[in-house]
Amino acid sequence: ILNVEQSPQSLHVQEGDSTNFTCSFPSSNFYALHWYRWETAKSPEALFVMTLNGDEKKKGRISATLNTKEGYSYLYIKGSQPEDSATYLCASANSGYALNFGKGTSLLVTP
Amino acid sequence: AAGVIQSPRHLIKEKRETATLKCYPIPRHDTVYWYQQGPGQDPQFLISFYEKMQSDKGSIPDRFSAQQFSDYHSELNMSSLELGDSALYFCASSSGQQGRNSPLHFGNGTRLTVT
Repeated sequence: ILNVEQSPQSLHVQEGDSTNFTCSFPSSNFYALHWYRWETAKSPEALFVMTLNGDEKKKGRISATLNTKEGYSYLYIKGSQPEDSATYLCASANSGYALNFGKGTSLLVTP
Repeated sequence: AAGVIQSPRHLIKEKRETATLKCYPIPRHDTVYWYQQGPGQDPQFLISFYEKMQSDKGSIPDRFSAQQFSDYHSELNMSSLELGDSALYFCASSSGQQGRNSPLHFGNGTRLTVT
């Protein structure tokens, strides 16, 4: 079984705070690491797909880094806004076509 | 832009009944994935198809079967339903040419309730 672990499980920050959370994944037979944002009552939406060790990607105030050798990725949100409240899922593609998802980090940003 | 379409959105069935869930991928996407998310659980991979052939298989019960048709839509058939099958079933599509480096595009899911 390939386990993808995310921490923390939930996070509550104030508007304007910057925050980050972690995804750890199996480093063997690694192909890609995906981050998705999942808002309540909506379907997951792709944020980033990263494949190379040392990759850094940015989308507005959200950025992510990748370390494939040690098997972790960080997602950063700068200046959190209430609309950033969502569950952030990471998933790794190792062997096979399927992505293995973590349980997600639930972020709540209050004004 | 066209998204992944799943039908029905909600489905209520009794134990031992059968159910069919449908998924219509984004145009020109040739890969379809099915995931099951139970209450409070992370999404679990069930099965995937690439170019109408099964490409990978996860924790799909033997009571379930699926296929991808010539127009690339996919159907998940579930028989002898059990209470534990109650879950949100997501379908996602991607362009198989980019392999697993391609982001998944998810449908809104079908919520199945077995009573």
